[in-house]
Amino acid sequence: SQTIHQWPATLVQPVGSPLSLECTVEGTSNPNLYWYRQAAGRGLQLLFYSVGIGQISSEVPQNLSASRPQDRQFILSSKKLLLSDSGFYLCAWTTEGTGTYEQYFGPGTRLTVT
Amino acid sequence: DQQVKQNSPSLSVQEGRISILNCDYTNSMFDYFLWYKKYPAEGPTFLISISSIKDKNEDGRFTVFLNKSAKHLSLHIVPSQPGDSAVYFCAASLASGGSYIPTFGRGTSLIVHP
Repeated sequence: SQTIHQWPATLVQPVGSPLSLECTVEGTSNPNLYWYRQAAGRGLQLLFYSVGIGQISSEVPQNLSASRPQDRQFILSSKKLLLSDSGFYLCAWTTEGTGTYEQYFGPGTRLTVT
Repeated sequence: DQQVKQNSPSLSVQEGRISILNCDYTNSMFDYFLWYKKYPAEGPTFLISISSIKDKNEDGRFTVFLNKSAKHLSLHIVPSQPGDSAVYFCAASLASGGSYIPTFGRGTSLIVHP
């Protein structure tokens, strides 16, 4: 069966520090991968998605970046965090060609920028 | 501009009664709709979906209704149980356009009282 892992589960970082969040998927190949952020009282905001290794699409211009160094690995990074980067970060995956379109989400990372 | 709107941020229901969560969308091109359930500090989990060629889809206690002319969908939970207490997200996508990327609403927090 497929599983998706995210770490760390929680993170407290000072303003201006770097960030690296990692997401890995098991049990599937060539998934589409997504990074979302849920800010307090808000919905799910799509940040980045990837349809393959090295292929990243950005939905929202900001100080975050994403990379996909391996088929089932998706990394969210920042060189300098802002207070507004605080939120709940979610990684998700889908596979094409199955005829279904639901996304499968990881457990999330709670980021607090102080 | 929100393309998917969940105008009720919260809903309180007695155990055993029906819960009705509503969702409106503005893009008439959306052709696939999904509901996700999210517990605190966890990732959303897929609940039920409906294609625009249908007006109803049922799965156990959960039924989704789609009214394309009104650009409105609703999720009915009957009977409601305390374990249903969670945030429910509505999502819509352009599946026929090859996009598996849904647009999410801001969520409705459902509280089911024993």
